[in-house]
Amino acid sequence: DTEVTQTPKHLVMGMTNKKSLKCEQHMGHRAMYWYKQKAKKPPELMFVYSYEKLSINESVPSRFSPECPNSSLLNLHLHALQPEDSALYLCASSQDRGGNEQFFGPGTRLTVL
Amino acid sequence: AQKVTQAQTEISVVEKEDVTLDCVYETRDTTYYLFWYKQPPSGELVFLIRRNSFDEQNEISGRYSWNFQKSTSSFNFTITASQVVDSAVYFCALSEFMEYGNKLVFGAGTILRVKS
Repeated sequence: DTEVTQTPKHLVMGMTNKKSLKCEQHMGHRAMYWYKQKAKKPPELMFVYSYEKLSINESVPSRFSPECPNSSLLNLHLHALQPEDSALYLCASSQDRGGNEQFFGPGTRLTVL
Repeated sequence: AQKVTQAQTEISVVEKEDVTLDCVYETRDTTYYLFWYKQPPSGELVFLIRRNSFDEQNEISGRYSWNFQKSTSSFNFTITASQVVDSAVYFCALSEFMEYGNKLVFGAGTILRVKS
């Protein structure tokens, strides 16, 4: 099973809302990633979790808060977002934090009003 | 710093034509990995291939083939007999090893439109 799932597929939220994006994989991968992708741009790395510990934070604003409850799950908590945060949020996983291929989920398309 | 350049912003071809997508990379690492991903309109990034820096053999998978040349820092992707379903954005990516993990550095992407 080479699948990464993400929920919800679409999310519309106001700037004062709190919401969470969820990601799940059952491939036994020990590294998980959050990327942000704006329209017509490549994905940009936000966070890397390795063995359930945050290993890379690419200077992401604190209104984005990642969480890795266990080796299969990755959450991204959202609070007080801005309209410019509207984007496709992609989750990925890989066997470990080395140079292995990353498998991506379908993404959550977020709109901040 | 690592850098990936995909000079072709958009390519349009007619079905059954062959098409090559170019990728040029920059890195100071001696060990690195290169990738190609496909992103159809649905949005999901689909992994196509991973190549490590010590393996310069070209690879063929069905209608897809990849040409890796360290001498020119290029990792080009050819689709033979293109089909409408090949229409997508294609990203070339390079692994960047950091102290506490690994990140993918993506090129800007090439939009491929295959017309019937």
